[in-house]
Amino acid sequence: ETGVTQSPTHLIKTRGQQVTLRCSSQSGHNTVSWYQQALGQGPQFIFQYYREEENGRGNFPPRFSGLQFPNYSSELNVNALELDDSALYLCASSFPSSGYNEQFFGPGTRLTVL
Amino acid sequence: DAKTTQPNSMESNEEEPVHLPCNHSTISGTDYIHWYRQLPSQGPEYVIHGLTSNVNNRMASLAIAEDRKSSTLILHRATLRDAAVYYCILSWEYGNKLVFGAGTILRVKS
Repeated sequence: ETGVTQSPTHLIKTRGQQVTLRCSSQSGHNTVSWYQQALGQGPQFIFQYYREEENGRGNFPPRFSGLQFPNYSSELNVNALELDDSALYLCASSFPSSGYNEQFFGPGTRLTVL
Repeated sequence: DAKTTQPNSMESNEEEPVHLPCNHSTISGTDYIHWYRQLPSQGPEYVIHGLTSNVNNRMASLAIAEDRKSSTLILHRATLRDAAVYYCILSWEYGNKLVFGAGTILRVKS
């Protein structure tokens, strides 16, 4: 069983640019959540996708957007990058059921905005 | 979302038990208590969760106060591999859309 994978591992962009981060969910999981983790802080929930539809959003501006594909992989897009967007971006997949909705996290993408 | 308060850091000796406290005085009746940990250079991983009763699993135990305003994660025998940031999280969604705090950095000495 393959775990959650993310690409790229590291990325450097300049202010004002756009970036796309990718996530492949764990086999059988139909839900993907994205989190932003600034240095020294806990992860902050950005949004979640369930069966290709956005299913909840945290306190992030519209320039943070996402997609989920029929195979349940996902993309996080950030437009008009700002210096404060520098962070580790984590993707987590899960399979909501009648049981506990455990989140399985990937290793993250480290984004640096200069 | 209800907030949690955890110590910034704790230290333990290898092979000894570790008790990681969490205060959540504003917890609501429908909030579950979740614990995740994040090892260095990795994404967070699930440890344990509970609602009202104490819980045990292969990784840890969760002791929940009777008034639910605090809880304690118990690692029965700390190993070097347990050195991580431990997050105590409240969420009414059953494991979903987690809101993390700053967590507790656990250091384990050999």
